[in-house]
Amino acid sequence: DAGITQSPRHKVTETGTPVTLRCHQTENHRYMYWYRQDPGHGLRLIHYSYGVKDTDKGEVSDGYSVSRSKTEDFLLTLESATSSQTSVYFCAISGDRGQNGNEQFFGPGTRLTVL
Amino acid sequence: GDSVTQMEGPVTLSEEAFLTINCTYTATGYPSLFWYVQYPGEGLQLLLKATKADDKGSNKGFEATYRKETTSFHLEKGSVQVSDSAVYFCALTPNTGNQFYFGTGTSLTVIP
Repeated sequence: DAGITQSPRHKVTETGTPVTLRCHQTENHRYMYWYRQDPGHGLRLIHYSYGVKDTDKGEVSDGYSVSRSKTEDFLLTLESATSSQTSVYFCAISGDRGQNGNEQFFGPGTRLTVL
Repeated sequence: GDSVTQMEGPVTLSEEAFLTINCTYTATGYPSLFWYVQYPGEGLQLLLKATKADDKGSNKGFEATYRKETTSFHLEKGSVQVSDSAVYFCALTPNTGNQFYFGTGTSLTVIP
């Protein structure tokens, strides 16, 4: 299994509070992604990173920011959590083309509840 | 833009039944195609993949063939087991760039 961990695994917070989710990898892969998974929507990309300090927005980036100061860590921050951000958040990694066929490997997920 | 469409669920089958989950895609060129499986409470795991036209991916009795002419990558298994109960996602990545596009998932329940 690819070495990807997410922390925390579960979190309950209140509306308006900031929340940071962490993704850590031990595979030295270049690309890292944050998705949210909601019933009826499948997986939706929030942000992704293509290197240290290099990030870009996905299709549902509003209300989220990310940072990647080291290859192994990719942080997702909800600046001011809202109930619509209650979801399961998955981190994923992938290597360059030719490295494992550029497939994505997923972390175990973080279940976030915003009250 | 690039996208994946897979059949709506949920799907309920009896053990040893034949499974097909349809997946079609829209993309320019020759994307790589994937099937992922998600068991309850877990992240997605790669089930199989195909990187060029006419390739057949296979794993754990599941198969899918990359059909360029019909832009399809249907998942099949000849005899499902209760342990196959999960959500299945079809996905693609274009032949340039490193974004991935997922279908909405198909929930499969296999009953004894």
